[in-house]
Amino acid sequence: AQKVTQAQTEISVVEKEDVTLDCVYETRDTTYYLFWYKQPPSGELVFLIRRNSFDEQNEISGRYSWNFQKSTSSFNFTITASQVVDSAVYFCALSESSDMRFGAGTRLTVKP
Amino acid sequence: EAQVTQNPRYLITVTGKKLTVTCSQNMNHEYMSWYRQDPGLGLRQIYYSMNVEVTDKGDVPEGYKVSRKEKRNFPLILESPSPNQTSLYFCASRPGVGTSYGYTFGSGTRLTVV
Repeated sequence: AQKVTQAQTEISVVEKEDVTLDCVYETRDTTYYLFWYKQPPSGELVFLIRRNSFDEQNEISGRYSWNFQKSTSSFNFTITASQVVDSAVYFCALSESSDMRFGAGTRLTVKP
Repeated sequence: EAQVTQNPRYLITVTGKKLTVTCSQNMNHEYMSWYRQDPGLGLRQIYYSMNVEVTDKGDVPEGYKVSRKEKRNFPLILESPSPNQTSLYFCASRPGVGTSYGYTFGSGTRLTVV
């Protein structure tokens, strides 16, 4: 069963637009963690954020923000005033007692 | 520098020729995994290891072998590679199996089997 769903396969925006990447997960665990990773064109996977299941506060880091809503099992990622350097594939992941499961990824292209 | 090192970065091989992708971490992590990345499918786990001499199958283990004889090393072995194993492979490690631990990933190995 799909544990992490990233429904948006590809998104294309123009620089300075805001963009939100969606992530929906399913789990029966009460304790779990959610992650976002970035994969730039160079191919490596870069950790962006970790959020535990008991902390529903939104997080902001510069132009990046994350909205965790347990009621809808979502952990969405927003980039404000996007830049060309934000072009990458973004993966959402769920870490539960069994292991970590990744979504299929969303490819974001930011055009100048 | 804390890191996961995998080699080679790029590999082109022929069907049936055995190959090994090496992976080493310097963080004393207990837990290591191999993933493959394919378009539209995200990252799928091939094998994982909870500690030395303890390995288990992930979601897509067919055609692969692993070993964990030392804590730092976790090689991925393809005994008889086939074209459907053409993919981008990542080795990853984390401190333990607890939910709070995220993975540190290697730089990836792009494998092409012709």
